[in-house]
Amino acid sequence: QSVLTQPPSVSGAPGQRVTISCTGSSSNIGAGYDVHWYHHLPGTAPKLLIYGNNNRPSGVPDRFSGSKSGTSASLAITGLQAEDEADYYCQSYDSSLSGYVFGTGTKVTVL
Amino acid sequence: QVQLVQSGAEVKKSGASVKVSCKASGYRFTTYGIGWVRQAPGQGLEWMGWISLYNRNTKYGQHVQGRVTMTTDTSTSTAYMELRSLRSDDTAVYYCARSSGNFWTGYNWFDSWGQGTLVTVSS
Repeated sequence: QSVLTQPPSVSGAPGQRVTISCTGSSSNIGAGYDVHWYHHLPGTAPKLLIYGNNNRPSGVPDRFSGSKSGTSASLAITGLQAEDEADYYCQSYDSSLSGYVFGTGTKVTVL
Repeated sequence: QVQLVQSGAEVKKSGASVKVSCKASGYRFTTYGIGWVRQAPGQGLEWMGWISLYNRNTKYGQHVQGRVTMTTDTSTSTAYMELRSLRSDDTAVYYCARSSGNFWTGYNWFDSWGQGTLVTVSS
């Protein structure tokens, strides 16, 4: 089981705003390590959405935003679209494991 | 554009080894690292390890330490991941990904990914 916990699922109607939490501890997010976010459709290559807590790579819409506070981080999706239906993962570094970790993953459903 | 193309699906017996390749193009190979991530059926993403394409330094995840070896061939811009003593729970899609940031400071993410390689381990 991952040291970064995400809700198994979130849902919203088209146009709505949803947020996905990523809860860690003092050995990862709480220690100041940055959080990154990925969009993933199983069977396809994951896609980087946010790096360094709140930075969007070129080509990622500004509907996606990230934040971090204390031992948690969040990904917000505004103006939800059908194409946003996918799995989302956070990622950070854990000093206890001396390695990088992914969150448990969240399935976003567009109602 | 950046591309990572992985080798094809593999079916292996328990106890065997598998070696997955990842050929990079569209960027200066030695400027970045390569990470390996896997996803078992119905499970989430799992970080396996990382290799520097500059000096071939490696760091492996605790759960595969001792069974995995990551290597590179800079002449062909190809990275390899070999997993030995395969078990049924190694059945997964294996991804290579270009690693950005500073790996050793905990500031590291994956900005481009391969298409994935399905490895099936049967008894």
